[in-house]
Amino acid sequence: QLQLQESGPGLVKPSETLSLTCTVSGGSISSSGYNWGWVRQPPGKGLEWIGNIYYSGSTFYNPSLKSRVTISVDTSKNQFSLKLSSVTAADTAVYYCARLMLYQLLPNWIDPWGQGTLVTVSS
Amino acid sequence: SYELTQPLSVSVALGQTAKITCGGNNIGSKNVHWYQQKPGQAPVLVIYRDSNRPSGIPERFSGSNSGNTATLTISRAQAGDEADYYCQVWDSSTVFGGGTKLTVL
Repeated sequence: QLQLQESGPGLVKPSETLSLTCTVSGGSISSSGYNWGWVRQPPGKGLEWIGNIYYSGSTFYNPSLKSRVTISVDTSKNQFSLKLSSVTAADTAVYYCARLMLYQLLPNWIDPWGQGTLVTVSS
Repeated sequence: SYELTQPLSVSVALGQTAKITCGGNNIGSKNVHWYQQKPGQAPVLVIYRDSNRPSGIPERFSGSNSGNTATLTISRAQAGDEADYYCQVWDSSTVFGGGTKLTVL
């Protein structure tokens, strides 16, 4: 059974870079037919898509975050990572990593999700 | 950018049928997916591509999509169905609806 696990600092200072890693187990990140992505959820609010990546390295980013986001993949470690630069308090959220199914060559439904990790931006 | 509109809240009596809508311009031409999220937990996929149930999701969950509205239907609602529900599509990017809180009375 495929599982995803987020890891990284739970506290980041304003203006610094948020860095998270997602480790995939029970399956290969190099499998065709999937994208690997990040979704966040501010406390008490809804879901916001951040972006996703194919194992070859091609990416899709949320236009509203694109200037600050980098998603990368390390197939040798079966991991993918998120970097979000110049963070502010508005970036405080639970960050989920997840697998997106490709359908008609486009990222579609999301399954499964990691358990999520809370990242707080504060000095 | 594409927008999805969901009601903030829906209430249903125990054992009755709940319908949660997701509105979007010509959403019937898109593939709609639905997620259930209980407090403190990650979202779980309950419907994909409008009306398909992943393995392990009860038959009480069903979906439809036509025109400008997609609908998640939960039959014989149970207390355990109380959760937030989100619709999602791909339209040049992944888009989520704002979420609907389902209360089972």
